[in-house]
Amino acid sequence: DAGVTQSPTHLIKTRGQHVTLRCSPISGHKSVSWYQQVLGQGPQFIFQYYEKEERGRGNFPDRFSARQFPNYSSELNVNALLLGDSALYLCASSGTGTGMNEQYFGPGTRLTVT
Amino acid sequence: EDQVTQSPEALRLQEGESSSLNCSYTVSGLRGLFWYRQDPGKGPEFLFTLYSAGEEKEKERLKATLTKKESFLHITAPKPEDSATYLCAVLGSWSGYSTLTFGKGTMLLVSP
Repeated sequence: DAGVTQSPTHLIKTRGQHVTLRCSPISGHKSVSWYQQVLGQGPQFIFQYYEKEERGRGNFPDRFSARQFPNYSSELNVNALLLGDSALYLCASSGTGTGMNEQYFGPGTRLTVT
Repeated sequence: EDQVTQSPEALRLQEGESSSLNCSYTVSGLRGLFWYRQDPGKGPEFLFTLYSAGEEKEKERLKATLTKKESFLHITAPKPEDSATYLCAVLGSWSGYSTLTFGKGTMLLVSP
């Protein structure tokens, strides 16, 4: 069975640019969450979507946005990139309840902003 | 604001030497506490969910327990393949939104 997939694996962008990261959940999972993980830190919660509606939001600026599509895949968009946005961006899906329990993570997208 | 503090930051054990990792938390209305394992360069792997004080869960050499202020991950007779970073997270709510807060993790190294 395919797990959570994310694309691209690695990405290098310049300050001020825009980036779109993509995530496909495990088949049958309706909830997708996004996290930012800086080296040496735990993941920081950005967004959660369940049944295409935003159900959770972390403390991130409005430059960060996301959406979930009818097939439950998701995109995370970051505008006006800053050096501090360099991190591993993780996507997780859940098939339990409204989606914050027993989450399964993808391998992440490593974003480097220069 | 929800907070999660894990200790120690790093732990080195000999194979077979049992120990415990600590996760202390403050959260408004705990809706669940989670333990994850993360190997270098990979996404976290789900281990346990605990919902209420007194609850315990076990999986192979790992046992997680929960009180009103902290959770422990007990590792019995660890093996080198248990080496990883162990993350604790709490599920709360803020302004009607669900929020999930992770600790910084405990890096465990088990030597043969």
